[in-house]
Amino acid sequence: DQQVKQNSPSLSVQEGRISILNCDYTNSMFDYFLWYKKYPAEGPTFLISISSIKDKNEDGRFTVFLNKSAKHLSLHIVPSQPGDSAVYFCAASFTSGTYKYIFGTGTRLKVLA
Amino acid sequence: EAGVTQSPTHLIKTRGQQVTLRCSPISGHTSVYWYQQALGLGLQFLLWYDEGEERNRGNFPPRFSGRQFPNYSSELNVNALELEDSALYLCASSSQGLPYNEQFFGPGTRLTVL
Repeated sequence: DQQVKQNSPSLSVQEGRISILNCDYTNSMFDYFLWYKKYPAEGPTFLISISSIKDKNEDGRFTVFLNKSAKHLSLHIVPSQPGDSAVYFCAASFTSGTYKYIFGTGTRLKVLA
Repeated sequence: EAGVTQSPTHLIKTRGQQVTLRCSPISGHTSVYWYQQALGLGLQFLLWYDEGEERNRGNFPPRFSGRQFPNYSSELNVNALELEDSALYLCASSSQGLPYNEQFFGPGTRLTVL
């Protein structure tokens, strides 16, 4: 049972345009969400997070939106740059208890120059 | 500051063999997490160790086990290897003192089972 889903395995975007990566989850008890970026041959690196008490968090070119009623979050990258080309994983967690992350299957973003 | 390190980088084993993967967390981090990333799948949570004890494990058979040492480094052991164990094994560490226990990942160990 995949509790965190990324239904788009890949996405291509022109440089300078907006990239929107989507993520859906099924467990309403998740209260903390994260996005990680992964380059080939490297471990995932933390990008941005959002607590369930917020609906938006912004960090430079990266903004994460959370829609709790729809159990949906999205990552917006504006403007997209070729260096953003990577696999993006969303993850959900609880802020108490197990501390484990439940990851989605990832979306491969390719930013075209 | 050194990041999370893992060894070996790559490993090739045959079915039925046993393997041990190693992870050194960031200095000061007490929690270590193990994840499996099989082809086409996301990162699947395997194990969480904190202060030398296993705190949680994912939906993996008992032949996946591990331990955490007093210096907080960790080993992941997989017995009776099967073909489907071929995957990238990622280790992450976190500090209980950080907000929401952000996890920092190592580069992973690529295991191939033939």
